[in-house]
Amino acid sequence: AQSVTQPDIHITVSEGASLELRCNYSYGATPYLFWYVQSPGQGLQLLLKYFSGDTLVQGIKGFEAEFKRSQSSFNLRKPSVHWSDAAEYFCAVGLNTGGFKTIFGAGTRLFVKA
Amino acid sequence: DAGVIQSPRHEVTEMGQEVTLRCKPISGHNSLFWYRQTMMRGLELLIYFNNNVPIDDSGMPEDRFSAKMPNASFSTLKIQPSEPRDSAVYFCASSLMGLAVFGPGTRLTVT
Repeated sequence: AQSVTQPDIHITVSEGASLELRCNYSYGATPYLFWYVQSPGQGLQLLLKYFSGDTLVQGIKGFEAEFKRSQSSFNLRKPSVHWSDAAEYFCAVGLNTGGFKTIFGAGTRLFVKA
Repeated sequence: DAGVIQSPRHEVTEMGQEVTLRCKPISGHNSLFWYRQTMMRGLELLIYFNNNVPIDDSGMPEDRFSAKMPNASFSTLKIQPSEPRDSAVYFCASSLMGLAVFGPGTRLTVT
């Protein structure tokens, strides 16, 4: 069955430190891959997407993600975290199943300490 | 484009009442999704439509839930009768080629 796994329920990093959020997917082919961010009380906002081509993709707010086919992973990174990055982050895959269906991981909540 | 529009933004109702949530997707998007988010279960896909046709409703919790998409610019999610355990934030999202854009959500409270 198709699935998206985010192994870390929550992560705490210091402001200015680097960040990596993990995401693994289970799907027979290469899906479309996305990262979304949700601030408290808000909807989900797209950070970045991977459809094909360069496996390192840049997104908004200084985020980037790297697709590694051999590991079925699409980890999100940021070199220096800001306090405003505290939010919940969702990895998602887009699957063509007779119409595109987007499946989300359980999310990783990021806490930023001063 | 105004993005995905959901109404109402907040709904408080009593157990047993009918609740209807509304969604206007982004023009040109051919898929529409209804998600439910709770602390306990996280983000759950309830149902999705492709070109106004329901493709997968396996996430709909039970027969009390129904969704329609009569045309490309409108969809409803109905709960009848509502129960306290239905309290959650309900998101509508529309997408093109799998890239989903979310609405602001409807916060439903059933007392």
